[in-house]
Amino acid sequence: EAEVAQSPRYKITEKSQAVAFWCDPISGHATLYWYRQILGQGPELLVQFQDESVVDDSQLPKDRFSAERLKGVDSTLKIQPAELGDSAMYLCASSPGSGGPPDTQYFGPGTRLTVL
Amino acid sequence: DQQVKQNSPSLSVQEGRISILNCDYTNSMFDYFLWYKKYPAEGPTFLISISSIKDKNEDGRFTVFLNKSAKHLSLHIVPSQPGDSAVYFCAGTSGSRLTFGEGTQLTVNP
Repeated sequence: EAEVAQSPRYKITEKSQAVAFWCDPISGHATLYWYRQILGQGPELLVQFQDESVVDDSQLPKDRFSAERLKGVDSTLKIQPAELGDSAMYLCASSPGSGGPPDTQYFGPGTRLTVL
Repeated sequence: DQQVKQNSPSLSVQEGRISILNCDYTNSMFDYFLWYKKYPAEGPTFLISISSIKDKNEDGRFTVFLNKSAKHLSLHIVPSQPGDSAVYFCAGTSGSRLTFGEGTQLTVNP
């Protein structure tokens, strides 16, 4: 069964350092999403890509966060510099983009970030 | 603005009984509602969805009910099994954007 891959699974960093997360969506999925989930809350969308283009980054803190999906396949989310409040689970999801409705999103296992 | 709200952080039921998880929403523009299940150290897994023009959708042991006038939906699991123990998220979608609730931790006791 096809899955969304993410790495690393866990990351511990000190504040002011840079961190990067990688996501490989399900093959053929045109739409890719990055979410942040703080403990006790639901996932919140950070950025959405359609192929290589950003279609929604309204909730992305652009002063420190950046995301790219250069070839429209895998994607990288970067935080620089990391702050204590960035400690959270970072989830990647993908969807066919032309399926549904609804265009069901499939999630990866996430990266647990701890900022010390 | 909390557009999707799950007011019960936790729910405990006995194996074989019915589990009912509730969700309220405020955004009338949602066209679909979805339920996801999440085990520890894993990403959310899609469970079942319902269109905003329907009032019920059933898939095996899982049934979702939508009361549009009350802006309320519920997920029924019958019969509940210990393997159903997980966090359940309700989400509304308008276009492709998902808006999640806070989640409800379901524990099914043997």
